[in-house]
Amino acid sequence: AQSVTQLGSHVSVSEGALVLLRCNYSSSVPPYLFWYVQYPNQGLQLLLKYTSAATLVKGINGFEAEFKKSETSFHLTKPSAHMSDAAEYFCAVSDRASRAGGTSYGKLTFGQGTILTVHP
Amino acid sequence: TAGITQAPTSQILAAGRSMTLRCTQDMRHNAMYWYRQDLGLGLRLIHYSNTAGTTGKGEVPDGYSVSRANTDDFPLTLASAVPSQTSVYFCASSLASGGNNEQFFGPGTRLTVL
Repeated sequence: AQSVTQLGSHVSVSEGALVLLRCNYSSSVPPYLFWYVQYPNQGLQLLLKYTSAATLVKGINGFEAEFKKSETSFHLTKPSAHMSDAAEYFCAVSDRASRAGGTSYGKLTFGQGTILTVHP
Repeated sequence: TAGITQAPTSQILAAGRSMTLRCTQDMRHNAMYWYRQDLGLGLRLIHYSNTAGTTGKGEVPDGYSVSRANTDDFPLTLASAVPSQTSVYFCASSLASGGNNEQFFGPGTRLTVL
C-alpha cells in the first residue's frame, strides 16, 4: 500500500524567504509523485509531477521538487516566497498502473496537506 | 473551456435524505474520480471510473454510489445522508487512468448534513 506524509500542517514564511514543504512517501513500487496547490474555495491544481525522468522537477510559479529515492522524499521548494503563494499544498503518490483484476489503476493517495502562510 | 463543473456549489441536507452531486467534464477524459476533503485528512477517494460504463470503489465508498453512463458525467449519490458525510466533495478527471496522468479538479461542493 502506498502512503504520503507531509511534515508540518502549517508553515509560515516571510515574503522573499525560502519555502520548503516536506513530503515523504511509502510505495512498494517506483512511484509517480505530485504536488498540488489549493487556493481558498477552489479545487486543486497541479504544481508539478515526477514520473521517473529527471529527479529535479520544475513546476509552475517558480516551484520545484527533488525526488530522493534513498530518503523516500519529494520536498517542494521555492527560493523566494510571494504573497500569492499563500495556499494549501498537497503531496500525492500514485502507483504504476496495475491491470491485475482491473481494480487498482494508478489512483492518487494524498497527504494531509500543508497550509503555507506568507507574511510581509 | 469549462473543464469540470460541479453542482450544487453548496447544500444543507437533513439527515436521512438522499442527494445527488453532479459532475460534468468537457475534456473527453476517460477517467473520473470523486474525493472528499476533510480537515487534517487531505483528500480521500470515494469512487472512481476508469472509463464510461465502469466504476470502482476507493478508500471510503460506504454510503455513496456512482454511475458512469457516458464519458462526460459522473454523479455521486448519497442514498441516506448522515452527519459524518458533511464534507467538501471534489470531482476530478484525467485523460487516462494510468498513474502518471494529471488529475484536473472541479471547484467542489460543500455539503452539510444536519
